[in-house]
Amino acid sequence: DGGITQSPKYLFRKEGQNVTLSCEQNLNHDAMYWYRQDPGQGLRLIYYSQIVNDFQKGDIAEGYSVSREKKESFPLTVTSAQKNPTAFYLCASRWGQAGYGYTFGSGTRLTVV
Amino acid sequence: SQQGEEDPQALSIQEGENATMNCSYKTSINNLQWYRQNSGRGLVHLILIRSNEREKHSGRLRVTLDTSKKSSSLLITASRAADTASYFCATDATTGGFKTIFGAGTRLFVKA
Repeated sequence: DGGITQSPKYLFRKEGQNVTLSCEQNLNHDAMYWYRQDPGQGLRLIYYSQIVNDFQKGDIAEGYSVSREKKESFPLTVTSAQKNPTAFYLCASRWGQAGYGYTFGSGTRLTVV
Repeated sequence: SQQGEEDPQALSIQEGENATMNCSYKTSINNLQWYRQNSGRGLVHLILIRSNEREKHSGRLRVTLDTSKKSSSLLITASRAADTASYFCATDATTGGFKTIFGAGTRLFVKA
């Protein structure tokens, strides 16, 4: 079955560490996205990519970095510059830039210890 | 400010009752989407309604869109305990380039 796989499901980060969240899709979607979800809030866009080797900052990109070397993969690195990284991170993909619904992964819960 | 805002924030009903959730937005949109999220899971796309459509059905779901009032509603008929989840609306704006705005969601609890 086609879908999006996020790993790990749970991740613990020490102060000053960089951590990378994995996102892989086999839907042949061009566009991929990273969203952050905090309790009781809507999703906020971190980064998105519409094509391989190209990506744009979203509303809250500071302290995060991404790469898009393959169509199927869009990993997110949470750097030590992100001061409040504890959150639920969701990867998504869809056809094109707009006009279609998103397919989401099952999420990664990141906790700073 | 946030584009999509759901109302109510939380809703508790008995199994078999209908559940209605509303979403308001501020700018012109290309389409409006509804998603469901079970606790600790990703969002699942339920239905997308385009700006030139007024109503759409999918199984027990009925979505309406009123662009003059900049609002949408999601109706779940004959609710089941398994419908317990958070429901989000999301809008794709027509201007300003790519921009999907998600609301904060309505938490639905269906009592068996």
